[in-house]
Formats: sequence, structure tokens, C-alpha cells
Amino acid sequence: DTAVSQTPKYLVTQMGNDKSIKCEQNLGHDTMYWYKQDSKKFLKIMFSYNNKELIINETVPNRFSPKSPDKAHLNLHINSLELGDSAVYFCASGGTSTDTQYFGPGTRLTVL
Amino acid sequence: AQRVTQPEKLLSVFKGAPVELKCNYSYSGSPELFWYVQYSRQRLQLLLRHISRESIKGFTADLNKGETSFHLKKPFAQEEDSAMYYCALRRWETSGSRLTFGEGTQLTVNP
Repeated sequence: DTAVSQTPKYLVTQMGNDKSIKCEQNLGHDTMYWYKQDSKKFLKIMFSYNNKELIINETVPNRFSPKSPDKAHLNLHINSLELGDSAVYFCASGGTSTDTQYFGPGTRLTVL
Repeated sequence: AQRVTQPEKLLSVFKGAPVELKCNYSYSGSPELFWYVQYSRQRLQLLLRHISRESIKGFTADLNKGETSFHLKKPFAQEEDSAMYYCALRRWETSGSRLTFGEGTQLTVNP
């Protein structure tokens, strides 16, 4: 069973488009995260949701809007895509009783 | 504010040689430190956590609070160890945990 899954795995799109990435976890965790891994492989947190409530919102452009319909899902919607948005986006989940975060396989976004 | 530094972006060793990936941190509280590994184009996986003091795939890491370091070591590197390694520090907040990652070290083990 896949613990944290993301779709799509690859996403190629044109500048200016709007796209969404979906994330689901079946670990029963309360908290979910979105991370961005840039071309230099630097990994940085973008958002965190706990029980559908936004907890962490780093300095991310407001073109990025996370949505959590329930605590097992955290989707990322990106409006007006820019070249600099090209990156690998990782979803992760963690609970208060766990001692680590579990990562999804990543979505490689390429903006042309 | 917390910060994690991995001074080496690239590290290359030969198979069978010892390897040490450096990690230094700054944090005002009691640190919880982890090493994550990312094999080529795969997800991040937990490799080690300082609390458990375990050895995974021959790797060990000791937390040195005096030097604020958590270096990852392996006495005899293998080709399959080639990967990206991230050191991470966890901070607990009221409703969950936050991981701060270092910049990562790309380890290449040559035959």
C-alpha cells in the first residue's frame, strides 16, 4: 500500500496556465505538507495543514493555493504558472505521535 | 531561528573508502535531527534519526551538541550509496512538526 501518493508524477505546461497537484495519505496522520525542491535540489517547506486548517504558510506567492478537503488530502493549485515554478513538488504527512514525516514520490513540474 | 548547514554540495569517494557527510545546525531549543536520503528521482526516505542511535545500511550519525553537529558516517562506502543526502532539524509547534532541511549533499561512490 502506498502511504503518501501524488498525482500527476510529471506535469508539463505552458506559462500562464493554471494547474493542480493532488496528494493523498492513508497513514491517518493529522498534518500534511507541501515542499518545493528547486533545480539546485534545495528543499523548502511551502505549506502545512493540520486537520484541514492552514498552519504554516511560508513566503510563497499567492498564486499558490493549497486546499485540504479532508485530513487525508492536501491539493496544491497554482495559478498563472511562471518559468520559476518549475521544480519538483513533494507532499508529506506526519502526525503528532510519529517521529518523522513521510514523503510522496514527487511531482516534476516543467513550465515552458 | 533554526538553521541547518551542509557545507559540501558534492562529495565523491571510491568504493570501500570511508565517507562522512557533514551537518551543522543552529537551534535554541533541544534539537531533533534526522538524515534523509533521496535516490535518483525517488522520494525522500528517512535514513536515521538521532534519538534512536541506530545504524541503517551501515550509516551512523552522532549528535554532538557541543559542536552543534550531526555528521553522517559510513566506514566502507558502496556504489549503491550514491544519492542525495539531507540533514534535517525538527521543531515541534502547537499543531505539528516542522522540518528544516540543509542544502543537501550529493554523494557519488565510484567503482
